[in-house]
Amino acid sequence: GAVVSQHPSRVICKSGTSVKIECRSLDFQATTMFWYRQFPKQSLMLMATSNEGSKATYEQGVEKDKFLINHASLTLSTLTVTSAHPEDSSFYICSAIPPNRNTEAFFGQGTRLTVV
Amino acid sequence: AQTVTQSQPEMSVQEAETVTLSCTYDTSESDYYLFWYKQPPSRQMILVIRQEAYKQQNATENRFSVNFQKAAKSFSLKISDSQLGDAAMYFCAYGSARQLTFGSGTQLTVLP
Repeated sequence: GAVVSQHPSRVICKSGTSVKIECRSLDFQATTMFWYRQFPKQSLMLMATSNEGSKATYEQGVEKDKFLINHASLTLSTLTVTSAHPEDSSFYICSAIPPNRNTEAFFGQGTRLTVV
Repeated sequence: AQTVTQSQPEMSVQEAETVTLSCTYDTSESDYYLFWYKQPPSRQMILVIRQEAYKQQNATENRFSVNFQKAAKSFSLKISDSQLGDAAMYFCAYGSARQLTFGSGTQLTVLP
């Protein structure tokens, strides 16, 4: 099966600093990747769709300047949480869909962000 | 917009018994996919089973099977011979045009 790797799995940062989360497709090329946020015991909320070589598409209510997305290659997308605050603490998950899998998504391991 | 509804926030089942998780969805499209994902305590999302809307036959994967009722827009998951390792949050998801919409999830507890 397709493999999506996300790094780091856990990160603690100080309020006001920025944090970068990486999402890699290890055995396939992904022109599109997806970033989700998940609060405890809740569902996955789509934040943005990352498009290789172009701007990301953000969902309504998601701050573009706070959550910077870069998809510079066919196997890597990054999410940078800028000027992080405690309310940004959450679980972030990325996913990608291999070209031959229609809508079947494969997920990274997730990143638990804690802002102190 | 598509919506996915899971009306059972929590379910429990005795080990070796059978449990059914419910899911309904709303769409005006005719071509789409439906999925059940499992999220154990590790929080890694794992695909359990998928169903193509154009297929009338219900999908099965070992102990997991679905009851897909297209006209009723219902997509339930049956887990047979439940095992302790089945304990997790289960999400129903609707897929179309390479986008996924998730339900709110059902927390399944397996009792020894």
